[in-house]
Amino acid sequence: AQSVTQLGSHVSVSEGALVLLRCNYSSSVPPYLFWYVQYPNQGLQLLLKYTTGATLVKGINGFEAEFKKSETSFHLTKPSAHMSDAAEYFCAVVRIQGAQKLVFGQGTRLTINP
Amino acid sequence: DTGVSQNPRHKITKRGQNVTFRCDPISEHNRLYWYRQTLGQGPEFLTYFQNEAQLEKSRLLSDRFSAERPKGSFSTLEIQRTEQGDSAMYLCASSTGQEPFYGYTFGSGTRLTVV
Repeated sequence: AQSVTQLGSHVSVSEGALVLLRCNYSSSVPPYLFWYVQYPNQGLQLLLKYTTGATLVKGINGFEAEFKKSETSFHLTKPSAHMSDAAEYFCAVVRIQGAQKLVFGQGTRLTINP
Repeated sequence: DTGVSQNPRHKITKRGQNVTFRCDPISEHNRLYWYRQTLGQGPEFLTYFQNEAQLEKSRLLSDRFSAERPKGSFSTLEIQRTEQGDSAMYLCASSTGQEPFYGYTFGSGTRLTVV
């Protein structure tokens, strides 16, 4: 079975500061990992994904994440926060065989202070 | 193709009424998924289709819920005798179902409020 834990349901940073959203996963098989962003009353938009290969992956809007197998982590970072980054962020894991169901963490709400 | 489309965007219904939501996936995507998201939580898997076949249903999908994808294109999710606990965002997503797996494309969701 696979699961995701996002540490911190709320994160608040100042505009221009580093954003760090934490995600740890559990998977019995090599995982595919995703970060999605959700703005109020909207669906989920893919930020970035790790499948195979390079462990540092870059996504949209200046976000990146690093897959660390030894730490079972896939933390999301952005060097300099912008007001438009305020949203809910979800980490997810999938087993690519079979149903390919995404299993989501509970989410982290990111607030940007001016 | 403009992505995954869900209708309606919002639905307010009285407890005990039936509701139906529609999802139009990306046309070349064989797989279609339904997820439910309650306030402050991540989306939870409900069911998925490979073409017109419904291949898996979550235990979250009680007998009051039924989903169809009659011609392997659009899908409907019906909730009978709605309860206040059904209030949630219902998300539809589609994918090719093939490897390499690049993830889903999600629709904007249907927000259901049961009063």
